[in-house]
Amino acid sequence: QVELVESGGGVVQPGRSLRLSCAASGFTFSNSGIHWVRQSPVKGLEWVALISYDGGNKFYADSVKGRFTVSRDNSKNTLYLEINSLRVEDTAVYYCAKDNIFGVATALQYDGMDVWGQGTTVTVSS
Amino acid sequence: DIQMTQSPSSVSASVGERVTITCRASQGIGSWLAWYQQKPGKAPKLLIYAASNLQNGVPSRFSGSGSGTDFTLTITGLQPEDFATYYCQQAISFPLTFGGGTKVEIK
Repeated sequence: QVELVESGGGVVQPGRSLRLSCAASGFTFSNSGIHWVRQSPVKGLEWVALISYDGGNKFYADSVKGRFTVSRDNSKNTLYLEINSLRVEDTAVYYCAKDNIFGVATALQYDGMDVWGQGTTVTVSS
Repeated sequence: DIQMTQSPSSVSASVGERVTITCRASQGIGSWLAWYQQKPGKAPKLLIYAASNLQNGVPSRFSGSGSGTDFTLTITGLQPEDFATYYCQQAISFPLTFGGGTKVEIK
């Protein structure tokens, strides 16, 4: 079945780094743009980053620009989020999700984030 | 950034009732809007895409309408499994943004 599975979350101290992974199955990963979205009780749902199907385009929220790096390995059907200089306010559940923007086909309408992972929790605390 | 404002933030309703949730964008987004349902401890689930299209497998009691800046999600005939939090989200420009959510509670 179509699935995204995140991993790599944990409890980390402020200023440290972490790498999250998102493993895809059941669809042609290399055709899809994939997002990272996070959710915390304080900020609700917050879009973090998008990487295009081929990795050639990357977009970031201002709150993470310069600290987070999104990448993908299409040969492994896996997406990554490298998080540096972690802050307390980065504490959240991190989801990966796919939609149809910046996929291999031009999006003529927005088809929504139709597949989400189960989320991985990042807690930043000293 | 485009701000997405949902109202109400919460609503109490009984099984069988009709519930309407509104989402207003701070600038025009055409039909580049999706609606999601989220239950506690779970990832969001896509309900409506392109403002008014029902995602495969979603019951027909859910419907979406609107374009430009004003959008509506309607649940006609609320069912016990519909008690959840609902979010709108725009995708016309970066950063993508979500509404603050509407919690549908049992009356």
